[in-house]
Amino acid sequence: AAGVIQSPRHLIKEKRETATLKCYPIPRHDTVYWYQQGPGQDPQFLISFYEKMQSDKGSIPDRFSAQQFSDYHSELNMSSLELGDSALYFCASSSSGTGPRLNRNNEQFFGPGTRLTVL
Amino acid sequence: ELKVEQNPLFLSMQEGKNYTIYCNYSTTSDRLYWYRQDPGKSLESLFVLLSNGAVKQEGRLMASLDTKARLSTLHITAAVHDLSATYFCAAQPYTGTASKLTFGTGTRLQVTL
Repeated sequence: AAGVIQSPRHLIKEKRETATLKCYPIPRHDTVYWYQQGPGQDPQFLISFYEKMQSDKGSIPDRFSAQQFSDYHSELNMSSLELGDSALYFCASSSSGTGPRLNRNNEQFFGPGTRLTVL
Repeated sequence: ELKVEQNPLFLSMQEGKNYTIYCNYSTTSDRLYWYRQDPGKSLESLFVLLSNGAVKQEGRLMASLDTKARLSTLHITAAVHDLSATYFCAAQPYTGTASKLTFGTGTRLQVTL
């Protein structure tokens, strides 16, 4: 079965540079979430989108922005990178649909993550 | 604000032993997840618990949910080295659209031979 795709898988940047992370949700999933996991930390929610509109916002710095496009893929843009931005960035997707799989609605499926290293 | 606490944070156990990881959450949540994470890897979904009294088992792992006590447990039976990983619980306060997950601090499990 198709899973969530994230690219790139690894990214190395210098301080003050910019980075763009991409997420391709599972087909027919309409909701995308971004989480940040620092070294030895638990994942922290950053932002989510439903049907291309921002749905919820967590502890996302103002230097970061994100959007969901018409094909439901999402991009997380990070500017003025800082050393503390080094982390694993996970994207998850879910479906808000109804039907036989009602109990599985809004269950989040995680991608493999992008490891960002800021030097 | 929903808070999720796990204990212990670190668990070293011998092969063949049993142990339980505890996950407490502060406010009513519709859904409780357990994930496994190997170092530098993604989050592997283990269990999704939907209702009070739910119990699910897969191999040597069994998860349960008590919504009245706001407590979930992950029980490990006869541990083997392959179970060494970090285990996270995560609460989802409601199952509506775009409901975010709040994760516990994680339990790093080390199974020794």
